[in-house]
Amino acid sequence: AQKITQTQPGMFVQEKEAVTLDCTYDTSDPSYGLFWYKQPSSGEMIFLIYQGSYDQQNATEGRYSLNFQKARKSANLVISASQLGDSAMYFCAMRSGTASKLTFGTGTRLQVTL
Amino acid sequence: DAGITQSPRHKVTETGTPVTLRCHQTENHRYMYWYRQDPGHGLRLIHYSYGVKDTDKGEVSDGYSVSRSKTEDFLLTLESATSSQTSVYFCAISDSGQAKNIQYFGAGTRLSVL
Repeated sequence: AQKITQTQPGMFVQEKEAVTLDCTYDTSDPSYGLFWYKQPSSGEMIFLIYQGSYDQQNATEGRYSLNFQKARKSANLVISASQLGDSAMYFCAMRSGTASKLTFGTGTRLQVTL
Repeated sequence: DAGITQSPRHKVTETGTPVTLRCHQTENHRYMYWYRQDPGHGLRLIHYSYGVKDTDKGEVSDGYSVSRSKTEDFLLTLESATSSQTSVYFCAISDSGQAKNIQYFGAGTRLSVL
């Protein structure tokens, strides 16, 4: 069975600082994909970044990067130069094998302060 | 933004009544999904569809049924709503032809069963 664990229910970070949101996963399938989504207070789910299990380099999308450590089964999201608009819930998710469905973690609420 | 419309956006209903939620997409994507979001659980898959008239169960499918008679529409039905089905429901779409198979979400439907 696939499982995603996000151990940080809430995080605080000061504006312009970097922050790391933790995500560990469990799957027995060698082929999988890892995703991060952002959910602001308005409620929509916004795709941020993707990492494939066979990708050699860590994924980056603007201020977002994914610190992928395959042996440790971790896929942490790094947000650089935090902005007030980054305050939101962040969800880590995984697609495993040929399945198209996503398994989500319970999320981390990030609060960016002045 | 992916063209996904969920209707209604908010609904209050009584226990025992049938409820149908609609998801409409304009992207011609093959896959469509229904998730529910509850505090402490993240998003959990209810049902998904991999084509017209092709559907399958997710991890929390009891009490729900789905139908997909057209590529663009995916309906979620609660045959006899219960208070435990009070939740926020998200529809998502993806094009399985893409290796990343990113799922894009609708704005959500907030359902209250009294």
